[in-house]
Amino acid sequence: NAGVTQTPKFRVLKTGQSMTLLCAQDMNHEYMYWYRQDPGMGLRLIHYSVGEGTTAKGEVPDGYNVSRLKKQNFLLGLESAAPSQTSVYFCASSITGELFFGEGSRLTVL
Amino acid sequence: RKEVEQDPGPFNVPEGATVAFNCTYSNSASQSFFWYRQDCRKEPKLLMSVYSSGNEDGRFTAQLNRASQYISLLIRDSKLSDSATYLCVVSPSGNTPLVFGKGTRLSVIA
Repeated sequence: NAGVTQTPKFRVLKTGQSMTLLCAQDMNHEYMYWYRQDPGMGLRLIHYSVGEGTTAKGEVPDGYNVSRLKKQNFLLGLESAAPSQTSVYFCASSITGELFFGEGSRLTVL
Repeated sequence: RKEVEQDPGPFNVPEGATVAFNCTYSNSASQSFFWYRQDCRKEPKLLMSVYSSGNEDGRFTAQLNRASQYISLLIRDSKLSDSATYLCVVSPSGNTPLVFGKGTRLSVIA
């Protein structure tokens, strides 16, 4: 079972470039989330979605946009990458409280 | 006061030792509680849910004290494979996203 799949797994960007991280889940979950994890900071919620066509801001939404056009996909966009966005990004989905995470996407912004 | 607080550790213990982690939460209306485990450079995974009556899964015991607003995790007979970061997770209420503590790092030493 695929579960939650994130692409790409690694990416290096230059400051000002844009990119999109894709999260796909095959468990028919309503809820999906994007987190970032930095050393000493723990997991911080960027944006989340409670269903197809909905999105909401989390704890650290600035500099990111998201879209949930299809139930199984949740996209995270960086319009103009900054070095402060260097991080590991985790996508997750849930239906009854338990979160299922993807393997993470390591993004470096130079 | 942060929503979910944990001692970051690291806890360095010998094989076979018993180790306990505590976690405090600030929102008295919180409804659900969990412990997640995260291995180095991997995604978090659910270890166990925490119920008011306490629950046990093999060598792991989780307890909840609503009056004092803390959650504990006890690991008995520690194994090398228990080395990981343990994340305390709280569901504030309803459809509000889960809140993660920053994690407690455990190293079990041979």
